[in-house]
Amino acid sequence: NAGVTQTPKFRVLKTGQSMTLLCAQDMNHEYMYWYRQDPGMGLRLIHYSVGEGTTAKGEVPDGYNVSRLKKQNFLLGLESAAPSQTSVYFCASSLTGARLPQHFGDGTRLSIL
Amino acid sequence: GQQVMQIPQYQHVQEGEDFTTYCNSSTTLSNIQWYKQRPGGHPVFLIQLVKSGEVKKQKRLTFQFGEAKKNSSLHITATQTTDVGTYFCADNNYGQNFVFGPGTRLSVLP
Repeated sequence: NAGVTQTPKFRVLKTGQSMTLLCAQDMNHEYMYWYRQDPGMGLRLIHYSVGEGTTAKGEVPDGYNVSRLKKQNFLLGLESAAPSQTSVYFCASSLTGARLPQHFGDGTRLSIL
Repeated sequence: GQQVMQIPQYQHVQEGEDFTTYCNSSTTLSNIQWYKQRPGGHPVFLIQLVKSGEVKKQKRLTFQFGEAKKNSSLHITATQTTDVGTYFCADNNYGQNFVFGPGTRLSVLP
């Protein structure tokens, strides 16, 4: 039972490049979340999904897009990477609703040069 | 939007000393969850508080939810080096998502 798996673990991009971060969970969770973590700022919600085929904006959605085509996968896309998007990205999932614990992946460390 | 604050930002303690971190909001909190993140790791769920005035204990950790549901606290008795990490509170914002506080980083000197 892997839990929440994020790929890749590390990535360096040049400004303007695009990439997709993959989050996969094997716990049959309905809710999935993408956060970014910057020093001293805690976790900020980028986008989230309450079920297959649904997505919603969080606190800091600009510059990111997401898709939830399959229940177990939640993809985060950067269309044109900017240095301000240098961060550690965490994916999380919960069974149903925001009143249940979130299970986090190990994170993706992304640097934009 | 809603803001969740935590104090202190950093805390250095000697092993065996107690530690407390506080989570505050200007608006009424919905449900509070507490997470711990070890250096280089990912957040791990500790506990959830739902009711006004609720107190829960996990071994040396005591969690409280304020009577007015505008604050919460985490107290660690007799810290150990294994307690090192950043402690986050998160409110579920009466909805489907979470608002995290900035965290309190705890260092424990042996």
